[in-house]
Amino acid sequence: SAVISQKPSRDICQRGTSLTIQCQVDSQVTMMFWYRQQPGQSLTLIATANQGSEATYESGFVIDKFPISRPNLTFSTLTVSNMSPEDSSIYLCSVDSPGGNEQFFGPGTRLTVL
Amino acid sequence: QQQVKQSPQSLIVQKGGISIINCAYENTAFDYFPWYQQFPGKGPALLIAIRPDVSEKKEGRFTISFNKSAKQFSLHIMDSQPGDSATYFCAASITLTDSWGKLQFGAGTQVVVTP
Repeated sequence: SAVISQKPSRDICQRGTSLTIQCQVDSQVTMMFWYRQQPGQSLTLIATANQGSEATYESGFVIDKFPISRPNLTFSTLTVSNMSPEDSSIYLCSVDSPGGNEQFFGPGTRLTVL
Repeated sequence: QQQVKQSPQSLIVQKGGISIINCAYENTAFDYFPWYQQFPGKGPALLIAIRPDVSEKKEGRFTISFNKSAKQFSLHIMDSQPGDSATYFCAASITLTDSWGKLQFGAGTQVVVTP
């Protein structure tokens, strides 16, 4: 199994500002995924991040708004830029478990934009 | 558009009863179908998953039934307990060589088990 931690666990931000969310995994993984869960909604994939290459974004998500870094095999960051209240969501990272039994999710970062 | 459709949106079941949640998909390339359980304030946790080469998988009180021709799969929670009260998500993906792939989630079902 993989243990995933995210920082911060929650934050309240002003519109127009940016927030960087960190995802740390306790083992080396090839792919990391970033999801968004809007209040009371399902999970939507934002992008896939591989170490050493640019993140691949899903339709409706762009790099200027959600820049992602993947500097090594255990860490990734997602930045939510120029925030608006519509960005208020839970942001989750996930990884495939070493050995490939399942895809694990982190605890999420609950973001509120005022 | 949502690639995986899930129903019902919510479900109330008495303790000891059976909870049934259904999902349907369109993309026949999907080859991995997991169910996740999410408690408030927590990330989703894998409950059980199935590949399309089997029609049923059981783990404890949880069973997935899979109908490839109908492009449907369902989760049955037997002997439901108050601790099962959570939101359940079905998902589907196209697996890669070294990954379970990009999960497409259903809308979620909020299950409440009454004592």
